[in-house]
Amino acid sequence: AQTVTQSQPEMSVQEAETVTLSCTYDTSESDYYLFWYKQPPSRQMILVIRQEAYKQQNATENRFSVNFQKAAKSFSLKISDSQLGDAAMYFCASGGSGGGADGLTFGKGTHLIIQP
Amino acid sequence: DVKVTQSSRYLVKRTGEKVFLECVQDMDHENMFWYRQDPGLGLRLIYFSYDVKMKEKGDIPEGYSVSREKKERFSLILESASTNQTSMYLCASSLWGSGSTDTQYFGPGTRLTVL
Repeated sequence: AQTVTQSQPEMSVQEAETVTLSCTYDTSESDYYLFWYKQPPSRQMILVIRQEAYKQQNATENRFSVNFQKAAKSFSLKISDSQLGDAAMYFCASGGSGGGADGLTFGKGTHLIIQP
Repeated sequence: DVKVTQSSRYLVKRTGEKVFLECVQDMDHENMFWYRQDPGLGLRLIYFSYDVKMKEKGDIPEGYSVSREKKERFSLILESASTNQTSMYLCASSLWGSGSTDTQYFGPGTRLTVL
């Protein structure tokens, strides 16, 4: 069984500043993947970044990067140079490779507000 | 680009009605998923399918069934809709893989209201 916890229901940041969204997880899988998804208002959920747990190097995608602390089971998302278009719900999710096409386990989400 | 479409953005039904939510993907993905999204609860997996006519229960399958007769189409069925099934329903698809290691692509969602 997997659990994903996002302890910040809402975060606010000034435009152009940096913000970090927290996520902790628990899993019994030895091989697993972690994801951050973004859901803009009234728009489709899209992948922001993906991390393979067996890789020590933190994943980055342009202004988005993660701080993956495997021992602490922590997977935070850092957004640099925040833009108005970053305003959205952000979901942390985990997926295991235990065989079969299991769905992802999602956290409850963090609502990110960008202040102009 | 992967495209996942859902038959309706908004749907209003009455208690006891049979409801069909349709999802179609155009990228020949093996895996398809139905999630339910509620405020403060995140997304919860209802059912998934890893092949035509194959289905597996997720975390909250009670009150739902699914059908996958063709690879590109995955339907969620509410046999007798109830007010506690009022929610946002999201469909997703991914390439075949071991577990949920591949990126899932989501549809726009169907906001279902049961009166």
